[in-house]
Amino acid sequence: GQNIDQPTEMTATEGAIVQINCTYQTSGFNGLFWYQQHAGEAPTFLSYNVLDGLEEKGRFSSFLSRSKGYSYLLLKELQMKDSASYLCAVNTGGFKTIFGAGTRLFVKA
Amino acid sequence: DTGVSQDPRHKITKRGQNVTFRCDPISEHNRLYWYRQTLGQGPEFLTYFQNEAQLEKSRLLSDRFSAERPKGSFSTLEIQRTEQGDSAMYLCASSLSPGDMNTEAFFGQGTRLTVV
Repeated sequence: GQNIDQPTEMTATEGAIVQINCTYQTSGFNGLFWYQQHAGEAPTFLSYNVLDGLEEKGRFSSFLSRSKGYSYLLLKELQMKDSASYLCAVNTGGFKTIFGAGTRLFVKA
Repeated sequence: DTGVSQDPRHKITKRGQNVTFRCDPISEHNRLYWYRQTLGQGPEFLTYFQNEAQLEKSRLLSDRFSAERPKGSFSTLEIQRTEQGDSAMYLCASSLSPGDMNTEAFFGQGTRLTVV
C-alpha cells in the first residue's frame, strides 16, 4: 500500500522556526516534494529531494532520509503569511505523485 | 503565459447529470495530471498524461470518469451520472519533464464541483 503521514496541525509563533515531519511507505520512490497551499488556492511548489540530505532555499529547507522513509520541511523566521497547509508528496515511479493529507500551520503573533 | 487555467471555476449540478471540466496547461508542458481534493485532505491522484497518451489511471477512478488530452494540449475530465460523493475540488497540474526527470508540477486554481 501507499501511505504518507504528516501531523494534522501545528502552531508556531511569528519569527520562530518550525519543523514539519513526513514519513512515507510507498511501493516505489522517485523523489519527494513539498508544496504549500493557502486556503482556497492551488498548491505551489516549495522543494524537491531525491537524494539524502538537506536542500536549502531561502527561509525554507527540506531534508530527506530514504532509508528511514522520512523527510522534514524546516521554515525559519516565520511570517504570518506562512500560515497555510504544507503537503508532502512522493513520486512513486512512473511519474505518479501521491500526496499526504497535509499539515495545517497556524502562525500566531 | 498565465499558468495552468481551469474552466469552470465552480460547477453546481444535479445528481445524475454529466459534467465536463477543461484544463489548459502551461504551453509546451508535456505532462498533465488530474487530482481530486476534498476538504482537509491532500490532492488524490486520478490520472496522468504524457503528451496525448493517458499512461496511468487510478483504481479510484470509476467507469463514470473519463479524461482526454487530444493533440497533447488541453485536457478534459468528464464525469457521467454524477453522485453526491463526487463533490470535490478537481485540480489539474502540468509539468515540463524531459525524459525520466521529475520536476515540480504547476497547479491550476481548480474546479469546485457540488452535486446536489
